[in-house]
Amino acid sequence: DVKVTQSSRYLVKRTGEKVFLECVQDMDHENMFWYRQDPGLGLRLIYFSYDVKMKEKGDIPEGYSVSREKKERFSLILESASTSQTSMYLCASISGQGETQYFGPGTRLLVL
Amino acid sequence: KNEVEQSPQNLTAQEGEFITINCSYSVGISALHWLQQHPGGGIVSLFMLSSGKKKHGRLIATINIQEKHSSLHITASHPRDSAVYICAVPHSGGSNYKLTFGKGTLLTVNP
Repeated sequence: DVKVTQSSRYLVKRTGEKVFLECVQDMDHENMFWYRQDPGLGLRLIYFSYDVKMKEKGDIPEGYSVSREKKERFSLILESASTSQTSMYLCASISGQGETQYFGPGTRLLVL
Repeated sequence: KNEVEQSPQNLTAQEGEFITINCSYSVGISALHWLQQHPGGGIVSLFMLSSGKKKHGRLIATINIQEKHSSLHITASHPRDSAVYICAVPHSGGSNYKLTFGKGTLLTVNP
């Protein structure tokens, strides 16, 4: 069974703090994704990584960065959290083209 | 970028009813995904299909590539089917890696 885990289910941070969200998958998938999900907007891709140290911007990368130092781990970094980044963050992974995406449980981030 | 429209946005049904959720997209694709999200956030992939029809238990997904349209049907609906159902297609009609998601259909099945 593929498992995608995220470091926290709920997180409360203050404006200006640096925030790290971690995602780990246990199926040796090459491709990993970070999405945010907001009411009325659906899921939007923030960043995508197709290999270790390789990344590609998604639709809404502003204010975020990512790190993929190991194949199983993909981190999302909010350099200076803002209230507009309050959202649900979901990580996903996929083995290859034409395959199913597997999602983590999500991290609900509140920035005060 | 592929545009995805789902309908209806909200759907309330009585237990046992037949449910249909629709998804239309703007750019030709190689495969379409249907996903389910229960309250609490976790998203599960239900189907990935590129033609015809797929069935899993009481769930049936169909796709018409020429009309750029897919439907998700639930037969004999049950309260445990209450969830958000999301349709997703490849971002730009090519690679399956990056997906564009519909805004979701919130289904509530009352006992």
